[in-house]
Amino acid sequence: GENVEQHPSTLSVQEGDSAVIKCTYSDSASNYFPWYKQELGKGPQLIIDIRSNVGEKKDQRIAVTLNKTAKHFSLHITETQPEDSAVYFCAASTGGFKTIFGAGTRLFVKA
Amino acid sequence: DTEVTQTPKHLVMGMTNKKSLKCEQHMGHRAMYWYKQKAKKPPELMFVYSYEKLSINESVPSRFSPECPNSSLLNLHLHALQPEDSALYLCASSQGNGQGAYNEQFFGPGTRLTVL
Repeated sequence: GENVEQHPSTLSVQEGDSAVIKCTYSDSASNYFPWYKQELGKGPQLIIDIRSNVGEKKDQRIAVTLNKTAKHFSLHITETQPEDSAVYFCAASTGGFKTIFGAGTRLFVKA
Repeated sequence: DTEVTQTPKHLVMGMTNKKSLKCEQHMGHRAMYWYKQKAKKPPELMFVYSYEKLSINESVPSRFSPECPNSSLLNLHLHALQPEDSALYLCASSQGNGQGAYNEQFFGPGTRLTVL
């Protein structure tokens, strides 16, 4: 079945540095790739997504890239701030209701 | 209103109790979901309702019983749960009808369930 691998599991950066989280998916029919941020005690919040007909998307300090040939997609956070500290999940969907989540990356931003 | 609300925030119940979790959204979404999330793990899909009809049941034990009274409300009835059912239960909603639609899901804050 569909599988999404996510790396690293933990990432610690200094405030102001960049953070990169990478994911790989297995189902070539996947066409929608959301990223969620989950803070302690809260539900996942959609922060950015990308569709298969686009290679890159940016929203202020956050960007996502997609390489369909390699089945890779990545999240880039620039100028990190302490409030970026959270667990980040990548996910993939072939359309429809099922979304396959990666295992998550715990990001720590040190002030 | 772009919010999914869930009640209660916390719930402690014994193995013989019957309780219900509630979820509400007013975004006009026609798909609603229940997920279970264990600590340090991603959400696991349990059920999906589309247009108030059960569309997906991910082989969830019958001690969990979902109900969708209308397009804005989703309930999860709990009976005879086990301690291993303790988890964060998340509700989500999306616009899509499940047929090739991109599935942007909005999550609620969750109900933290503890089964004693």
